Order: sequence, then C-alpha cells, then structure tokens
Amino acid sequence: GQQLNQSPQSMFIQEGEDVSMNCTSSSIFNTWLWYKQDPGEGPVLLIALYKAGELTSNGRLTAQFGITRKDSFLNISASIPSDVGIYFCAGQLPGTDKLIFGTGTRLQVFP
Amino acid sequence: GAGVSQSPRYKVAKRGQDVALRCDPISGHVSLFWYQQALGQGPEFLTYFQNEAQLDKSGLPSDRFFAERPEGSVSTLKIQRTQQEDSAVYLCASSLDRDQQYFGPGTRLTVT
Repeated sequence: GQQLNQSPQSMFIQEGEDVSMNCTSSSIFNTWLWYKQDPGEGPVLLIALYKAGELTSNGRLTAQFGITRKDSFLNISASIPSDVGIYFCAGQLPGTDKLIFGTGTRLQVFP
Repeated sequence: GAGVSQSPRYKVAKRGQDVALRCDPISGHVSLFWYQQALGQGPEFLTYFQNEAQLDKSGLPSDRFFAERPEGSVSTLKIQRTQQEDSAVYLCASSLDRDQQYFGPGTRLTVT
C-alpha cells in the first residue's frame, strides 16, 4: 500500500537537544497529522494541520503544513526521555477520509 | 473519558481459523476506521464506516476480510481462513470530525 516518505528513519539524540523530522509525498494533501506511537499501543494524535503554510505548536512540539501541500515537518524542542517512541506523519487526500501514513521516525533520547 | 477500546488485545490463531476483532469507538463518534500495521511499518487503511454505512473498503486485502458496524457504534473486523501474512496489529480509530482520528491500542494477531 501507499506510504509517505518520512525521514530520518531513526534518530539517537541527547536529552535537551532539538529534533526535526519531515514527511514528503508526490500527492497533494488536505490535512496533515502527526502521531506518536509507544510500543504495544496505538498512535496518539499530537498535532493536526489544515491549511498550506500553517504553523501549529503543542507545547514543545511545532509542526508545519508545507506550502506545496506535499510535505510537512515536526520539530521537538528540548527533548526529554519521555519523547522516546515512533513518530508518524499522516496525510488525508482531497475527497477521502482515510489516512495515509509515513514510514515512521524512531526517536531515542539518551540522558 | 473513555477512549477507543479494542478486544482482544492479543489473538493467536492457527492457519485456516476464522477470527473476529472488536472495536468500541469513542461515544458519539460517527466515523470508524480500521487499519493494519505490519511490524516496523506505518498503519495502512483497510475500511471506513460513517454510522452503519461502510463507505470505503478499498484497503481490504482480500475477500477473506469483512467488517461490519450494524448499529453505527461497535464494529467487528472478521478474517476468514487466516493465513500467516495476516499476522499484524489491527488498529481501530474513530473520529467526530472527518480528520482527527483517535486510535485504540490495537489487536495483535499472530497466525501460526
């Protein structure tokens, strides 16, 4: 099935560092969502973006909906150990309700 | 408030057995989605309901997969004659809006 290109695939960082990950597509999306998934759990919604160029924050998290509507990025500032997990982007194509997910970014934070 | 719940959390089936996976969406959520997540991959769409109507089943991999939501609330995903490639985590999500989908913990299916 179709999956979005997400990078990097994994990141190993020190506590306190900032993190950036992005997602690209060959298709235009109406909505971009960012989720975090912990082992054995379902994805948890972090941020939702609805308009091209939109920049939205949720605490230490900031995400942007790309101007071309084909990409999005997520930044995490001042990382902490509980940020560990897998981050997924997800996009919604015009005229559909299903989400297409990225391949995931695995984040490890070392104290 | 209660989130999306799924049962069972784990299911082991012998190849050829039928399985049924249950999803209880967030109360009042009109839309319900099923996704399949293979190990190390992102979730992939299977099917979508709005109330009791199945509006999109384009992601169901074969006619062995069947989903229903007869009263517009609880949904069941049924897999007939399970095969090893069906082993995955099956995630259910519900939404009030058509975009913000909230996921359950998933059912991990292992077919031996």
